[in-house]
Amino acid sequence: GIQVEQSPPDLILQEGANSTLRCNFSDSVNNLQWFHQNPWGQLINLFYIPSGTKQNGRLSATTVATERYSLLYISSSQTTDSGVYFCAVENSGGSNYKLTFGKGTLLTVNP
Amino acid sequence: DTGVTQSPTHLIKTRGQQVTLRCSPISGHKSVSWYQQVLGQGPQFIFQYYEKEERGRGNFPDRFSARQFPNYSSELNVNALLLGDSALYLCASSRTGGSPLHFGNGTRLTVT
Repeated sequence: GIQVEQSPPDLILQEGANSTLRCNFSDSVNNLQWFHQNPWGQLINLFYIPSGTKQNGRLSATTVATERYSLLYISSSQTTDSGVYFCAVENSGGSNYKLTFGKGTLLTVNP
Repeated sequence: DTGVTQSPTHLIKTRGQQVTLRCSPISGHKSVSWYQQVLGQGPQFIFQYYEKEERGRGNFPDRFSARQFPNYSSELNVNALLLGDSALYLCASSRTGGSPLHFGNGTRLTVT
């Protein structure tokens, strides 16, 4: 099956800093989503971005499908940005709408 | 709009017992998916239902089953519970099978 690798596995920032999270995938995809899981376990959908660039406030994401990677940018980080960021993909040609998740990036933003 | 709702929020069961978890999707969403998340890992796909039909099944044993009702709500059943079934069970809904997923808060299952 498709492999999803996220880097870095852990990241510690001071409030106000910027960061870039990376997601590499091993095969072509027709669906890529970024999620944030807060310390209480809630998974929030950040972006649906199989290709191109999107922005939502301080967050933006870019997917280069031909090179099989996606980037999530967080600017002016806040303590509420802490949590685990997951990238999830669906393999092109798949028929069961299965999302395969990476292991996540654990982000800690200190005040 | 109300988000995806799951019940119960927490559950403690004994090995060998059976459990039923419930999920109500966002209004207008016809697809429901179930995922299992163990500590320190990303969620793993269990099932996907669309318009009441099973469209996908992950690599889980037959002890796991699910169904979707005419109102698009869904149940996940797990029989003959094992200690290794202890996890956070997440339900997600979407308008169609491939559109953005919206997750509920999950059911935390502990098997003792």
